[in-house]
Amino acid sequence: EIVLTQSPGTLSLSPGERATLSCRASQSVSSSYLAWYQQKPGQAPRLLIYGASSRATGIPDRFSGSGSGTDFTLTISRLEPEDFAVYYCQQYDGSALLTFGPGTKVDIK
Amino acid sequence: EVQLVESGGGLVQPGGSLRLSCAASGFIFTNYGMNWVRQAPGKGLEWVSYISINSGTIYYADSVKGRFTISRDNAKNSLYLQMNSLRAEDTAIYYCVRGIPSMDVWGKGTTVTVSS
Repeated sequence: EIVLTQSPGTLSLSPGERATLSCRASQSVSSSYLAWYQQKPGQAPRLLIYGASSRATGIPDRFSGSGSGTDFTLTISRLEPEDFAVYYCQQYDGSALLTFGPGTKVDIK
Repeated sequence: EVQLVESGGGLVQPGGSLRLSCAASGFIFTNYGMNWVRQAPGKGLEWVSYISINSGTIYYADSVKGRFTISRDNAKNSLYLQMNSLRAEDTAIYYCVRGIPSMDVWGKGTTVTVSS
């Protein structure tokens, strides 16, 4: 089973600042099978990035994804008030398992 | 509007059973594989199960294998999760979710509480 580790656990930043979130896999993940989600309190998660770097429909271009192999990054170029949330990475191993990382909480400094 | 609406959650005793349903609308249901994903109170996301378009491919997380059964009825645009031998650790919000390898449409979820 591929285990995803996200860092940091919590990121405290101010609006307008840049956020860099890391997702590391225990073994290589196909870039096609790496996604990022945003979840706000009391809401279902929302797909932000698929295929490691493609933005989902309606996602602002301040969100970007990068990486390959075992190291992936979600970057929010300039934080807006509505971006303070929990972010999860997720992988599919191509056979029978999907797993999520434990999440990174981005909160207001 | 693309929509997934879950139902069937509730309070059940340990060892009991529950059947969740998900009604899909606004898209061609038979074009998509479907998932159940759960979230325990205050915890992260846990993928539970996946079913392919024609039900020919089914996956389960190890934590539910042998206890949960996923199914779909394409004529009714519906997804199901039969949950047996429920445990306290199955307490969670259960989301119906479209797609693989990424999941692009999520329902609002239905809450399952396993407690005596």
